[in-house]
Amino acid sequence: DAGVTQSPTHLIKTRGQHVTLRCSPISGHKSVSWYQQVLGQGPQFIFQYYEKEERGRGNFPDRFSARQFPNYSSELNVNALLLGDSALYLCASSPRPGTGGNSPLHFGNGTRLTVT
Amino acid sequence: TQLLEQSPQFLSIQEGENLTVYCNSSSVFSSLQWYRQEPGEGPVLLVTVVTGGEVKKLKRLTFQFGDARKDSSLHITAAQPGDTGLYLCAGSSGNTGKLIFGQGTTLQVKP
Repeated sequence: DAGVTQSPTHLIKTRGQHVTLRCSPISGHKSVSWYQQVLGQGPQFIFQYYEKEERGRGNFPDRFSARQFPNYSSELNVNALLLGDSALYLCASSPRPGTGGNSPLHFGNGTRLTVT
Repeated sequence: TQLLEQSPQFLSIQEGENLTVYCNSSSVFSSLQWYRQEPGEGPVLLVTVVTGGEVKKLKRLTFQFGDARKDSSLHITAAQPGDTGLYLCAGSSGNTGKLIFGQGTTLQVKP
C-alpha cells in the first residue's frame, strides 16, 4: 500500500512569491495534518483537516492556509514568502482526527522549501 | 504554552553501548509518541504510550511514560549503527489534532 505522498520533493522560491504544496493521504485515511520542520528542530503543527473541515490550527500567520478535497488530499498554501519560511514541510495522515493512541500519524517524506 | 524538552540534544556512542534519551514537560499529556527520523525522510512512529507508568518494549528499545504523564524516556540497549537517526518525542493533549514535538535527539552510533 502507498504511504503518504507529497509533491514536490524540493522547491526553490524567491521572497514574496507564493507556493502550493500537495499531499495525498494513505488510502482510507480521512484526516490530514501539516507540520513545519526547521533544520535542527522538531516539527511544529500548522493545520489539521478532517472531512474537509479545519479541526486545528497552530501559531502561524494568515499567510499560511490549507484546504482538503473530497478525495481527502490536501494543499498547503503560503503567500508572501519570507526567508524564515525555508523548512521541511511535512504532511501526515490518520484515520480519524486527533493524535491520540488510537489515531497515530503517518508522515510523508516532506517538501523541502528553500526561500532565497 | 506546552513544551517538551529532550535531552541530550546530541549523542555519539560506540556500537554496543547503552543510552537513554529523556523527554520532559511541565504539562500533562494524554499520550506520548516516539518517532525516528532519518535524513531526507519523514518521522516514523516507533511507539505510543498512553497510561501513566506504562513501559513498552520494542526489541532493544524500551519506552517509559512517567506516572504523572509529564515525561518519558527511551532506552536503547546495545546500540547498533542502524539505530543512528533523529529521535523525536511528541505529546498529545486532546482531540485538537496537534502534536507537540520536542526538539529531537540526534544519535550517532559508530561501528
